[in-house]
Amino acid sequence: EPEVTQTPSHQVTQMGQEVILRCVPISNHLYFYWYRQILGQKVEFLVSFYNNEISEKSEIFDDQFSVERPDGSNFTLKIRSTKLEDSAMYFCASSERQGNTEAFFGQGTRLTVV
Amino acid sequence: DAKTTQPPSMDCAEGRAANLPCNHSTISGNEYVYWYRQIHSQGPQYIIHGLKNNETNEMASLIITEDRKSSTLILPHATLRDTAVYYCIGGLSSGNTGKLIFGQGTTLQVKP
Repeated sequence: EPEVTQTPSHQVTQMGQEVILRCVPISNHLYFYWYRQILGQKVEFLVSFYNNEISEKSEIFDDQFSVERPDGSNFTLKIRSTKLEDSAMYFCASSERQGNTEAFFGQGTRLTVV
Repeated sequence: DAKTTQPPSMDCAEGRAANLPCNHSTISGNEYVYWYRQIHSQGPQYIIHGLKNNETNEMASLIITEDRKSSTLILPHATLRDTAVYYCIGGLSSGNTGKLIFGQGTTLQVKP
């Protein structure tokens, strides 16, 4: 069964450092997403990406965040200067189309900012 | 996007059917009802979705009321591995960007 893969599974970083979280979406999917889940809280939408541009972003996704699809397979989330409150699970997802379809989620990257 | 309301928790005996309700009274005519689940902080997993008609797949059945104001997810023979948080999500019409708005969901505990 096709799957979304995320690396690393766990990342520890110093406050103020830049981090890049990596995702390999399912190969024929065209729509890509990042979500985050702070421990004990609900899953929150960050950004959706299609045709090499952001199609929607939440208010969480401020100037410290950026996304990129640097080649035909990877989809990355960069946090420029991490804060303690960025500690969370980050989930990547992909789908074939926008509506009337399922989104496939990766297993997540646990980001710990110290 | 339609707001959904779910009970915070439910229990179910192993081997019995688990019926998880969801109210989505503000759903519009072109918005689907989606169900996902999350097992112990893993990535959310798609279960099923529907628009008007009842749907069934290898995981579950989805019963949508005629007025589309509520739905029920049915796991026909719950197992311990079905213990998870279940999310009912309204939205994802064709004009949407595909984002999912997760609520708090229902924590289903399947007991032996």
